[in-house]
Amino acid sequence: EAQVTQNPRYLITVTGKKLTVTCSQNMNHEYMSWYRQDPGLGLRQIYYSMNVEVTDKGDVPEGYKVSRKEKRNFPLILESPSPNQTSLYFCASSPTYGGGARDTQYFGPGTRLTVL
Amino acid sequence: SQQGEEDPQALSIQEGENATMNCSYKTSINNLQWYRQNSGRGLVHLILIRSNEREKHSGRLRVTLDTSKKSSSLLITASRAADTASYFCARGANSKLTFGKGITLSVRP
Repeated sequence: EAQVTQNPRYLITVTGKKLTVTCSQNMNHEYMSWYRQDPGLGLRQIYYSMNVEVTDKGDVPEGYKVSRKEKRNFPLILESPSPNQTSLYFCASSPTYGGGARDTQYFGPGTRLTVL
Repeated sequence: SQQGEEDPQALSIQEGENATMNCSYKTSINNLQWYRQNSGRGLVHLILIRSNEREKHSGRLRVTLDTSKKSSSLLITASRAADTASYFCARGANSKLTFGKGITLSVRP
């Protein structure tokens, strides 16, 4: 089944404890992206990647890191999480390098992160 | 910010009625997309309309785009209780997709 998977789905952690949220797609998509969703703010893009080894900042990149060593995987790293990073996180992928600017995005199920 | 406005913020209708949701934006776009989100779940793509298109249909969905007014509308005809969800418009431009804050649609049985 064609899909975007995220792990973990739920995570409660403490301030400063490094964590990684994994994202994987099995559709051979070029473009991948991370968003966070907060009440009243909609979805905001954190980082995106147009291809392997190519990543760029979105609208809210502070406090996050990403890497794209393989086409299918795009992990989101929080090296020192803080409470203001408590949010619902979504990974998405798109067939073409232009991503959502030119094509549909396919979303994962979300990761609900709580930082205490 | 490239984010525009979605209108209304919330909409409650009776099953069988039509639902109209509007989206405006500020800068030029390559395409405009509509997504649906059921409570706490991932977004599901509904329809994409390119900047050189004026209207598209998909089942009970009809989307229009007016680039001169920088606005789009999503019409859901003959609504069902299962259409209850949040709906987002998203503007595609410059390798990015920028989402609005969403419209909450409630369809009463």
